[in-house]
Amino acid sequence: AQSVAQPEDQVNVAEGNPLTVKCTYSVSGNPYLFWYVQYPNRGLQFLLKYITGDNLVKGSYGFEAEFNKSQTSFHLKKPSALVSDSALYFCAVRDGDTGGFKTIFGAGTRLFVKA
Amino acid sequence: IAGITQAPTSQILAAGRRMTLRCTQDMRHNAMYWYRQDLGLGLRLIHYSNTAGTTGKGEVPDGYSVSRANTDDFPLTLASAVPSQTSVYFCASSADRGRTGELFFGEGSRLTVL
Repeated sequence: AQSVAQPEDQVNVAEGNPLTVKCTYSVSGNPYLFWYVQYPNRGLQFLLKYITGDNLVKGSYGFEAEFNKSQTSFHLKKPSALVSDSALYFCAVRDGDTGGFKTIFGAGTRLFVKA
Repeated sequence: IAGITQAPTSQILAAGRRMTLRCTQDMRHNAMYWYRQDLGLGLRLIHYSNTAGTTGKGEVPDGYSVSRANTDDFPLTLASAVPSQTSVYFCASSADRGRTGELFFGEGSRLTVL
């Protein structure tokens, strides 16, 4: 069975500083990994994904994520945080080998960027 | 604008009543999903469908049923609602690109069971 852990309920960072939101995963096959963002009272929006290839993936709004197979991690990063980045962030995993589209999400991490 | 439409956006329901949450997509995506979002628990998968005519159980399927009679519609039914089913429900879909497609979400349906 696949699972996702987001160990931090909340991450606080000052505007202009780099940010990292952590994610670790567990799957039996090859991982397909995703990051999504949710603003208040809205549905989730896709940020980026790792399927195969380069371990560093670039996505929307200046976000990037690094896939680390040995540590089973897929941390979300941004070099310089903006106040407008404050939102709820979700990591998700799909098993690329077992077939089907079953996609499991983590519990989410709330990012707070202070001006 | 193409996307996912969920209805109702909000509903208060008495315990024991039957309720169907509707979800329609116009992107011709083959896969569809239902999640519930609860504070501190993130999004939990209820049911999903790889393609029209097939469905699968997610992490928390008990008390819920789904059907996928065609590509566009994926209704979620609570046969006899209980207070623990109070939640925000999100429908999503994804395209078939070797199963690598990301999810597109609706705006959610907030359900309160009293």
